Amino acid sequence: DAKTTQPPSMDCAEGRAANLPCNHSTISGNEYVYWYRQIHSQGPQYIIHGLKNNETNEMASLIITEDRKSSTLILPHATLRDTAVYYCIVRVVSSGSRLTFGEGTQLTVNP
Amino acid sequence: DADVTQTPRNRITKTGKRIMLECSQTKGHDRMYWYRQDPGLGLRLIYYSFDVKDINKGEISDGYSVSRQAQAKFSLSLESAIPNQTALYFCATSDPILNNEQFFGPGTRLTVL
Repeated sequence: DAKTTQPPSMDCAEGRAANLPCNHSTISGNEYVYWYRQIHSQGPQYIIHGLKNNETNEMASLIITEDRKSSTLILPHATLRDTAVYYCIVRVVSSGSRLTFGEGTQLTVNP
Repeated sequence: DADVTQTPRNRITKTGKRIMLECSQTKGHDRMYWYRQDPGLGLRLIYYSFDVKDINKGEISDGYSVSRQAQAKFSLSLESAIPNQTALYFCATSDPILNNEQFFGPGTRLTVL
């Protein structure tokens, strides 16, 4: 699985958009970008994933650059409950195996 | 009711003791995983199982063993616990038809004295 690089921490004001970047310059053509988050020692929670097109669901949007070497997770209207560690993971879907977690980005949403 | 449950939620034990952590799921998924998390770090995979007859080592399997008793149950054992196995342990499940999104349990906090 390709390695990812994320900033260790970010802050965001409540109600504003939170944009979390991820670099994955060694990504392969069949690897997807996944985002999970972990709220204070709870089990990680799936957010969204994509291959090359931008994706949106009820939680977030995922923007993947055309060369697929980086992506951005967007929480459009951050709330205090979005304070968590966000993990960007790159892997082949069909492998069905491990999620390789890095250290992620600690997002703190401030009132 | 939670889809993925873990028991116990907290456990304190002594060095050298055998301990078992249990995971049950009601999602009907074939694939199950055990991870550990150390403070300030991401999760690391211990073992995973794609079905009842399939067991695979993850990146940090030394000192651990697992048992897949049924589709819904996956247990992690520490045969002789040591202090550096103090960590937060998570069980997860996934379904390859559903893009292999992994669903995590609430975790077991294990302390080895």
